[in-house]
Amino acid sequence: QKEVEQDPGPLSVPEGAIVSLNCTYSNSAFQYFMWYRQYSRKGPELLMYTYSSGNKEDGRFTAQVDKSSKYISLFIRDSQPSDSATYLCAMSAIRDDKIIFGKGTRLHILP
Amino acid sequence: DAGVTQSPTHLIKTRGQQVTLRCSPKSGHDTVSWYQQALGQGPQFIFQYYEEEERQRGNFPDRFSGHQFPNYSSELNVNALLLGDSALYLCASSLAGSSYNEQFFGPGTRLTVL
Repeated sequence: QKEVEQDPGPLSVPEGAIVSLNCTYSNSAFQYFMWYRQYSRKGPELLMYTYSSGNKEDGRFTAQVDKSSKYISLFIRDSQPSDSATYLCAMSAIRDDKIIFGKGTRLHILP
Repeated sequence: DAGVTQSPTHLIKTRGQQVTLRCSPKSGHDTVSWYQQALGQGPQFIFQYYEEEERQRGNFPDRFSGHQFPNYSSELNVNALLLGDSALYLCASSLAGSSYNEQFFGPGTRLTVL
């Protein structure tokens, strides 16, 4: 079993829809949970991070962490064509320098 | 404020050759991590450098080595290249002791091994 599982998609939704992306993980030591956005041929860009369980909102983006289920989610409201990209979930443990990434979900927002 | 920069952008090598990739961290950062991203996969941690020493290493063979310079810039060296080394190599910088493991990524170097 991989440490982090993420459905690669692609996921296609119409403009304005709510997008739900998620990941599961197996390592209970993970405490930092992140979502990165990666456009084609670019490096990943940090969108959201959450420490331990709970919700965090930033504009149109909401990140949720459920440590009891080992499940994290990213919601995008009022999706725009410019949101079309690959979204990578990522995690790390406290005092651990490496970040473990999911495979990424390719998202297409249709105008 | 310059972000993380990497050079070169693209590189083509043949099997058995050696390659050196370069990274300059974001201004104010002192720690550099290297990741390998194969096509259709998430980045995989290679190693991290802090105070010119390798601090942590992922599951990569000794063919992968690195260096950090006093100005915090870093190099990734790969010897005896294999076809499977073809990937996007990402450099990420961070500040040691920050409250969480926030790493800023560069645009990457795309390596093709023929």
